[in-house]
Amino acid sequence: QVQLVESGGGLVKPGGSLRLSCAASGFTFSDYYMSWIRQAPGKGLEWVSYISSSSSYTNYADSVKGRFTISRDNAKNSLYLQMNSLRAEDTAVYYCARDLGGGTGMGYWGQGTLVTVSS
Amino acid sequence: EIVLTQSPVTLSLSPGERATLSCRASQSVSSYLAWYQQKPGQAPRLLIYDASNRATGIPARFSGSGSGTDFTLTISSLEPEDFAVYYCQQRSNWLITFGQGTRLEIK
Repeated sequence: QVQLVESGGGLVKPGGSLRLSCAASGFTFSDYYMSWIRQAPGKGLEWVSYISSSSSYTNYADSVKGRFTISRDNAKNSLYLQMNSLRAEDTAVYYCARDLGGGTGMGYWGQGTLVTVSS
Repeated sequence: EIVLTQSPVTLSLSPGERATLSCRASQSVSSYLAWYQQKPGQAPRLLIYDASNRATGIPARFSGSGSGTDFTLTISSLEPEDFAVYYCQQRSNWLITFGQGTRLEIK
């Protein structure tokens, strides 16, 4: 069955960096677009970034553009999010999600990893 | 950026009643719209994709309709497990946005 497991979250000071990982299994990882979505405590969902199946295309929300970098390693079935210049407003649970693959929607989500930016 | 506005913000209904949730886009998204359900402490679950197609394993009481700028998620007869927060999401011009959510609560 499809599994997405995020890791790498934690407490970081403002201005610091963190790298999130998402380990995928149960499907052919290299066939699917992947996304990062975040949810601040008590708030709604916010799309952060996505990457095409071959890494040829990426895009970012304006709120993270220039600070975050999405990447993937299809040989390792892994998705990454490098987060630099972190701010308090980046505090959130970060989810990785797999595109449906034919249709608008993200069909599978991980359980999320919490990133807290605080001094 | 396309803005999705969901209404109402909160919907209070009883089990067995019909729920109608709305999502309006600031410009046309064709049928590139999805709906998700999220319960406390859980990741979102895809319910509907491409405006009207139920995702795998989703009960038939959930249905989606609409195109262009106006979309509706209908739950025909509420079960106790349906009380949750619902989000719509669009993908257009290589950008993704979510609505702010509708909280469906037990009356």
